[in-house]
Amino acid sequence: GQQVMQIPQYQHVQEGEDFTTYCNSSTTLSNIQWYKQRPGGHPVFLIQLVKSGEVKKQKRLTFQFGEAKKNSSLHITATQTTDVGTYFCAGISYSGAGSYQLTFGKGTKLSVIP
Amino acid sequence: DTEVTQTPKHLVMGMTNKKSLKCEQHMGHRAMYWYKQKAKKPPELMFVYSYEKLSINESVPSRFSPECPNSSLLNLHLHALQPEDSALYLCASSPSSPLRVNEQFFGPGTRLTVL
Repeated sequence: GQQVMQIPQYQHVQEGEDFTTYCNSSTTLSNIQWYKQRPGGHPVFLIQLVKSGEVKKQKRLTFQFGEAKKNSSLHITATQTTDVGTYFCAGISYSGAGSYQLTFGKGTKLSVIP
Repeated sequence: DTEVTQTPKHLVMGMTNKKSLKCEQHMGHRAMYWYKQKAKKPPELMFVYSYEKLSINESVPSRFSPECPNSSLLNLHLHALQPEDSALYLCASSPSSPLRVNEQFFGPGTRLTVL
């Protein structure tokens, strides 16, 4: 089945430093989604990437989808304490009758030192 | 209403108990999901319901029994659980239109402890 690898597992940064997490898939992804889970919270959707080479920005967050649609990255510029949490990428596969199955990467836990 | 609600928030049960987890959404989503999440791990898919029919069962033991009474409700019935079943159980829903981004909306979860 589909496997999504994500690195690093943990990242500690000083507030104001940049942060990047990377996802790699063994197979070509039709699209990829990114979620953020705050400590004690639940996953919250951030974005979906569909097109080869796609780059999307949300304020300080930049998401990229590789040309071969096998890798993706999330980059945060000038981290803030509000960025703390675990960031998951998820490959999507259509599971029939309008439902979609997510295969999550292991996540990158971001800690920001004030 | 753009949220998924789950009850109870916390549940402690013995291995011989029978309990149920409940999930509700009023966004008109026709796909609903149960996930299990252990500490420091990603969510693992358990079941998928599409248009109130079970479409995926990821080899989940029969002590977990899902039910979808209508398009807004999803239950997870628990019976004879083991301590290793202790985890955060997350419900999610997503729109079913191929024309939309099919993000999954997650509920806050039920933190289950099996003694």
